[in-house]
Amino acid sequence: DSGVTQTPKHLITATGQRVTLRCSPRSGDLSVYWYQQSLDQGLQFLIQYYNGEERAKGNILERFSAQQFPDLHSELNLSSLELGDSALYFCASSGNPGLAGGGHNEQFFGPGTRLTVL
Amino acid sequence: GQQLNQSPQSMFIQEGEDVSMNCTSSSIFNTWLWYKQEPGEGPVLLIALYKAGELTSNGRLTAQFGITRKDSFLNISASIPSDVGIYFCASNSNSGYALNFGKGTSLLVTP
Repeated sequence: DSGVTQTPKHLITATGQRVTLRCSPRSGDLSVYWYQQSLDQGLQFLIQYYNGEERAKGNILERFSAQQFPDLHSELNLSSLELGDSALYFCASSGNPGLAGGGHNEQFFGPGTRLTVL
Repeated sequence: GQQLNQSPQSMFIQEGEDVSMNCTSSSIFNTWLWYKQEPGEGPVLLIALYKAGELTSNGRLTAQFGITRKDSFLNISASIPSDVGIYFCASNSNSGYALNFGKGTSLLVTP
């Protein structure tokens, strides 16, 4: 158990809809990262938040947005969903110098949310 | 992001055999990480490497940070069925902490 939790585990929705994925980082971790995993693209970085502020952006579509709340949990919002958005979405956390592997380089992943868009 | 090339793409071996896989890039990195992912789960961090030439073990797993800083190797000794999964190399982009991942090496172990 990495200590990172994600809900829901599975999500099935229709094209054009909007969904919200939730992530709680390891206790004390300040950074949250979102990744998308698909068969053709592999694991791709979407966005990073650090202590409530956006820190880095990757291959994130304009239809997608995220935020990190004062309690450090994060949400990834996906809107105007398309069939091609079907994928596994992972949250990872890092950045607690007090823990083993606490540097920013080592990221710990949650179990993921499997999104299916029909 | 910088591309990480993993090989082999897949391996099908017998229990007890040793396994070797590698990851290369045309870019220089300061960190190499190795993760394992099992079906239906998130990637699990196995080993982290921070210095060129560094050799680190975690049980039957050994990984090395290449001296050129452009590659890394992961070896698994005396494989067992629970080693089955996809092994990914990853490294931080040089402009931040976001991870670039290789495409993975899929390992199957027969009893």
